[in-house]
Amino acid sequence: EAQVTQNPRYLITVTGKKLTVTCSQNMNHEYMSWYRQDPGLGLRQIYYSMNVEVTDKGDVPEGYKVSRKEKRNFPLILESPSPNQTSLYFCASIGLAESSYNEQFFGPGTRLTVL
Amino acid sequence: EDQVTQSPEALRLQEGESSSLNCSYTVSGLRGLFWYRQDPGKGPEFLFTLYSAGEEKEKERLKATLTKKESFLHITAPKPEDSATYLCAVRGSSASKIIFGSGTRLSIRP
Repeated sequence: EAQVTQNPRYLITVTGKKLTVTCSQNMNHEYMSWYRQDPGLGLRQIYYSMNVEVTDKGDVPEGYKVSRKEKRNFPLILESPSPNQTSLYFCASIGLAESSYNEQFFGPGTRLTVL
Repeated sequence: EDQVTQSPEALRLQEGESSSLNCSYTVSGLRGLFWYRQDPGKGPEFLFTLYSAGEEKEKERLKATLTKKESFLHITAPKPEDSATYLCAVRGSSASKIIFGSGTRLSIRP
């Protein structure tokens, strides 16, 4: 079954305590992305990656880091979380092959609360 | 700067009452306009990709159309299970970023 998985699904942490949210896809997609979703602001792209070792900033990259060492994994790292990073986070992947071009699959979401 | 605006913010319909959702966009070199459905607490679910003006795609009671400035998601004879937030997004040629609109919350009353 084609899917994007994220862990953890729920996380409550404190300001300044480093955390990593993992993301993995099993569709061999080249493009992966992280979004945050906030009430009234919609989905905003944090970082994206066109392929292994290629990452780029989205619209709201401040306070976040990513890495793409393997094609299937794209972890999101918060080195020093702050309360304004409390949000619902989604990982997504897109196929660039002709058969599934531009079809974006989303993970189930990670609800993060920073106290 | 690429931009996506969706209207209305919320729409309440009676079961069977057809309507349309609007997505206006500004993008340099459209590489794809996307429609998604999102249920509360879940990740968006892909519906359609449109690439050029005049293109149309259909899935069950949904039909998406595209012009050079906007896209419409037409819902024909909706059922209560069509209740969800519908999201529109674009990808332009100037970057590989994907820009989302803020969505339309659709509620269908039995």
